[in-house]
Amino acid sequence: GNSVTQMEGPVTLSEEAFLTINCTYTATGYPSLFWYVQYPGEGLQLLLKATKADDKGSNKGFEATYRKETTSFHLEKGSVQVSDSAVYFCALSRGTSYGKLTFGQGTILTVHP
Amino acid sequence: GAVVSQHPSRVICKSGTSVKIECRSLDFQATTMFWYRQFPKQSLMLMATSNEGSKATYEQGVEKDKFLINHASLTLSTLTVTSAHPEDSSFYICSLKAGAGYEQYFGPGTRLTVT
Repeated sequence: GNSVTQMEGPVTLSEEAFLTINCTYTATGYPSLFWYVQYPGEGLQLLLKATKADDKGSNKGFEATYRKETTSFHLEKGSVQVSDSAVYFCALSRGTSYGKLTFGQGTILTVHP
Repeated sequence: GAVVSQHPSRVICKSGTSVKIECRSLDFQATTMFWYRQFPKQSLMLMATSNEGSKATYEQGVEKDKFLINHASLTLSTLTVTSAHPEDSSFYICSLKAGAGYEQYFGPGTRLTVT
């Protein structure tokens, strides 16, 4: 079956530090890959997505590249801000739709001034 | 993005009672709704999918008679946990989408504690 594995958290960084949150997946076929972010007290929001190999999703300074050879979709940001503090979820969906999602366990990110 | 609300945000109930959680779309019509469950430090687990006008499809291992889902309208879905037990204590999250290919929008979640 499908599965998503994220790096263990929590992750604590100082403002302007470089961020990497690792995500690897197991899936049949060609899934679409997503990163969702959940700010305190709010619902999950789509941060970025990639629907085929070598696609790069980007939004708000975050980037992730769909690497089929390593079955990975690592999230990166060159300079984090305090406002980036949130829980980040990697997820996959079969096909190119936003259908049934399989989530990783989430990574808590805390950024200090 | 679309706005999705859940009510209540927190609920405490006694073992053996039932509790209803509402999920509302405030600004779009949702043809498909999903209910997830999240345990502490674990990922969201899909419980069921419902399409407007049809019965919910439950994931393997989810008891449909215990977790009753009603896709009442294009803007409202309810999850009723019947005869709740302490092991049902969890964080329940709904998401909605407007159709095939459309992004899912998530509610803020409901924390259920069964004593």
